[in-house]
Amino acid sequence: AQSVTQLDSQVPVFEEAPVELRCNYSSSVSVYLFWYVQYPNQGLQLLLKYLSGSTLVKGINGFEAEFNKSQTSFHLRKPSVHISDTAEYFCAVSVPYNTDKLIFGTGTRLQVFP
Amino acid sequence: NAGVTQTPKFQVLKTGQSMTLQCAQDMNHNSMYWYRQDPGMGLRLIYYSASEGTTDKGEVPNGYNVSRLNKREFSLRLESAAPSQTSVYFCASSLNRREYEQYFGPGTRLTVT
Repeated sequence: AQSVTQLDSQVPVFEEAPVELRCNYSSSVSVYLFWYVQYPNQGLQLLLKYLSGSTLVKGINGFEAEFNKSQTSFHLRKPSVHISDTAEYFCAVSVPYNTDKLIFGTGTRLQVFP
Repeated sequence: NAGVTQTPKFQVLKTGQSMTLQCAQDMNHNSMYWYRQDPGMGLRLIYYSASEGTTDKGEVPNGYNVSRLNKREFSLRLESAAPSQTSVYFCASSLNRREYEQYFGPGTRLTVT
């Protein structure tokens, strides 16, 4: 079975500072990896995904993530955050061609202060 | 193109009442999903439908039923609501099994008293 661990439930940061949101997964088979963002009182939207190929994945709004197979990690980074990045961020995994179910982590609340 | 729509946005039920949450998508997607979101627990899959005419249980199906009415619509029914079902419910859809980007609706906030 697969599982996802988001190591930080909350990350406070000042505007224009860099940020890293951590995600580790557990799986005995290859997985697809995703980051979703949820702005207040909205549904989730996809930030970026890793299916195969280059381990550095670029997404929307200046976010990027790096897949590290040896450390089973998929950390999300942004070099300079804005107030508007304040949101909840979810890491998720799925198993290719086996199921179309996503398994989500518990989320990380990013709070950006002026 | 509205994407994924859900009704109602908010609902308050008394214990034992029943209700149906509606979901529709206009993206011609084959797969549809129902999740619940609870504080500190992320999103948990209740039921999903890989294609029209099929439904399968997810992680937390007890107390719920679903109907894939047609390709566009996927409803979630609570037959006898319990306080433990107080949650925010999200519907999502994706093109097919191999298109793993899921598109989410705005959610329904349900309170059971």
